[in-house]
Amino acid sequence: NAGVTQTPKFQVLKTGQSMTLQCAQDMNHNSMYWYRQDPGMGLRLIYYSASEGTTDKGEVPNGYNVSRLNKREFSLRLESAAPSQTSVYFCASSAEGGANYGYTFGSGTRLTVV
Amino acid sequence: GNSVTQMEGPVTLSEEAFLTINCTYTATGYPSLFWYVQYPGEGLQLLLKATKADDKGSNKGFEATYRKETTSFHLEKGSVQVSDSAVYFCALSAYSGAGSYQLTFGKGTKLSVIP
Repeated sequence: NAGVTQTPKFQVLKTGQSMTLQCAQDMNHNSMYWYRQDPGMGLRLIYYSASEGTTDKGEVPNGYNVSRLNKREFSLRLESAAPSQTSVYFCASSAEGGANYGYTFGSGTRLTVV
Repeated sequence: GNSVTQMEGPVTLSEEAFLTINCTYTATGYPSLFWYVQYPGEGLQLLLKATKADDKGSNKGFEATYRKETTSFHLEKGSVQVSDSAVYFCALSAYSGAGSYQLTFGKGTKLSVIP
């Protein structure tokens, strides 16, 4: 059982380039999330999808877009990367909205923008 | 809004020492509370949880009790091991509308255990 799979694991971009981070879960979870983790900042929510067909902004959505492609997949796109987007990105999913079950996290994508 | 405050690290302990990592929260309603652990180079893993007041979550020798009166969820372990070295995150889950609950995280506490 793979859980939450993120690709790629590492990426280096030049300022202004675009890329899409992929996330897929095989647990039949309804809700999916994208977080970024920065030193001293903990995890901050970028976007989330409560269910297939819906997406909503989190705490730090500027510079990002998302697509909930189907129930399994939730992608994060950087249209024009900036050095401030250098971070580790985590995708997560949850059953029944995550109230009592918490989230299952992927292993992360380490992105560097130069 | 909801928030989680946990003690700043890093925390360095000798093997077999007692561990406490403090966590307090602010939330409307009745959130569920969690501790997550992140080992180097990995994602976050759920360590334990408590869903209502006075519940005690426990796993791998770690414990935390949901204290509504003090809005706290402190993590404890009686005897730490080198393998417990990691970053620990306290989090709460609260309803955000549209059928979804969001996790709000503390900033994390790095624990290093030395032999």
